[in-house]
Formats: sequence, structure tokens, C-alpha cells
Amino acid sequence: GENVEQHPSTLSVQEGDSAVIKCTYSDSASNYFPWYKQELGKGPQLIIDIRSNVGEKKDQRIAVTLNKTAKHFSLHITETQPEDSAVYFCAASKGPGYALNFGKGTSLLVTP
Amino acid sequence: DAGVTQSPTHLIKTRGQQVTLRCSPKSGHDTVSWYQQALGQGPQFIFQYYEEEERQRGNFPDRFSGHQFPNYSSELNVNALLLGDSALYLCASSLVGQDYEQYFGPGTRLTVT
Repeated sequence: GENVEQHPSTLSVQEGDSAVIKCTYSDSASNYFPWYKQELGKGPQLIIDIRSNVGEKKDQRIAVTLNKTAKHFSLHITETQPEDSAVYFCAASKGPGYALNFGKGTSLLVTP
Repeated sequence: DAGVTQSPTHLIKTRGQQVTLRCSPKSGHDTVSWYQQALGQGPQFIFQYYEEEERQRGNFPDRFSGHQFPNYSSELNVNALLLGDSALYLCASSLVGQDYEQYFGPGTRLTVT
């Protein structure tokens, strides 16, 4: 089955700096790669996603890049703010309606 | 627009008991997926229900079973609880064939003692 690895497991940055989280996947059939943010006591919230026909997608301070050849994708957060502090998960699936396979998460701490 | 709701929020059970968790999908969604999230880990897929049938299943034993009702809401049942079943159980809903996105509820925190 699909194996998604995520690095780093923890990341601490100063407010205003950029943060980068990287994931790799194993199943070449995967074609949908969402990123979720999970705050304490809450369920995961989708923040951005990318499909395999696109190499990069941006939404304000958040961007995701995908390299299908190398089977890796990354989340980039610019101008970080304290409210960005949370656990971030990458995931991969074979498409709409298919199970999401998650990485183990990255705990991001943004210090003022 | 009501999002995904789950009940109860928390519960505590004893090893060997049985538990039922409930989920109502986001308005307009017809598919419900269940995930188990152990402390410090990413969610793991348990199974998915569509048209009242189990459509996909992850690597979980038969002690985990589910049901979907005509109004698309769903239940997750776990029999013969083990200490290792302690986790946050998440429900996610989506619209089959139309939507890549899965929307998650807040989860049910199950503690097995």
C-alpha cells in the first residue's frame, strides 16, 4: 500500500520567517495530495491541495509544490504568524473518494 | 452550512466492552470515511461508506464495523475493546464523483481502561 513519509517532525521558526515541510510517497498511482492543519482538540482542516496535473499551487501565504517524478511534495508557508502554530499533515490518495494516506505530521511552532 | 458533526465528544470504556460512535456528514455530502488517530500520529483509514455499503476498508480487524443510514449519517462500532483502541476517531465526509476534498469532523476521543 501507499507509504507517506513526512519531515521534519517538529519545526520552530520566528514570526515572519518561512517554513517548509516535505513529504514523499511510494505509490505512483497517487494523484491527489492535500495538506491539513490540525489545532489542539480539533479535527484536521484542509488548507491547500494539489493534483498530479499541476506542479505548483499558491494561496496567499501558502504554496504547495509537487514533483511526480521524484514522488515528493512540499508545503511552503511564508511570513509565518503565531496563529500558524499547529500540527500539519500531508496526505496522498488515488483520487476523489479514495482513502487518504497520511504522514505522521509536523508540529510547527511560530514564536513572536 | 452545517459541517461534519460527531458524537460523543469523549468517552471512556473498559477493555472488552463495545462502543458506538456517530457521525453526520456535511450538508450535501453522501460519503463517510472513518479514521483512527493515535496520539502523536497521522490519521489511519478504517473504512468508507457510500450508498449504505462499505466501499473501501483499511487494515483494521473485523472488530471494527460500521453502518450508513439513508440520511447518509454513519456509525462506527468497535467490539471487544483493547487498550490499543484508545485514540481520536475522526469522521470525514465527501461527495462521490464530484469532490476530491474530504472534510473532517472534530473527532471522538475514546479512552479504553
